[in-house]
Amino acid sequence: DADVTQTPRNRITKTGKRIMLECSQTKGHDRMYWYRQDPGLGLRLIYYSFDVKDINKGEISDGYSVSRQAQAKFSLSLESAIPNQTALYFCATGGRAGAQETQYFGPGTRLLVL
Amino acid sequence: SQQGEEDPQALSIQEGENATMNCSYKTSINNLQWYRQNSGRGLVHLILIRSNEREKHSGRLRVTLDTSKKSSSLLITASRAADTASYFCATDVSGGYNKLIFGAGTRLAVHP
Repeated sequence: DADVTQTPRNRITKTGKRIMLECSQTKGHDRMYWYRQDPGLGLRLIYYSFDVKDINKGEISDGYSVSRQAQAKFSLSLESAIPNQTALYFCATGGRAGAQETQYFGPGTRLLVL
Repeated sequence: SQQGEEDPQALSIQEGENATMNCSYKTSINNLQWYRQNSGRGLVHLILIRSNEREKHSGRLRVTLDTSKKSSSLLITASRAADTASYFCATDVSGGYNKLIFGAGTRLAVHP
């Protein structure tokens, strides 16, 4: 089974709708992240959480909110979806591989806002 | 604007050739990491180099870091068709808390 899972994998919604993207991990990591990726661009950080009680805004948090329900679960919500939120969304966890800090990514959620 | 800028944006080579990708960044870093993304999939960590290191190797990968020029390079030797992917550099500017800023990536195509 995958260590970082995201649901749904694909979602089509309409402008103004509220939607939630969910992320679960079995790696036991404290740190979790939400990114969005637009065509031809790298990943931009939306929100990150270093533990259940710690939530921080990233560089593009406007229009998004998050909830860290448990160490293993980190959800991203779009309160009122708009077309320019159409993107590929990734969840990641942060942990150590040997002596190295690294991030482990989920498979992504492809979101289309009409 | 983004912290990391990769160069070139796209690279097309033949199997067996070496591929070199460059990354420049703007602010001081704790470490710099390279990730690989196969088309539309999640990123996979390749290698990390710390700010006090100048070169690291991992299999066919060689990464260099020049903090005076705020730049890094990723060399893939003896490339294979399976190396076809996008490659991203990411800088940790959070003092080791693993808050990463990603560049726009280099799309590598390796032709058989």
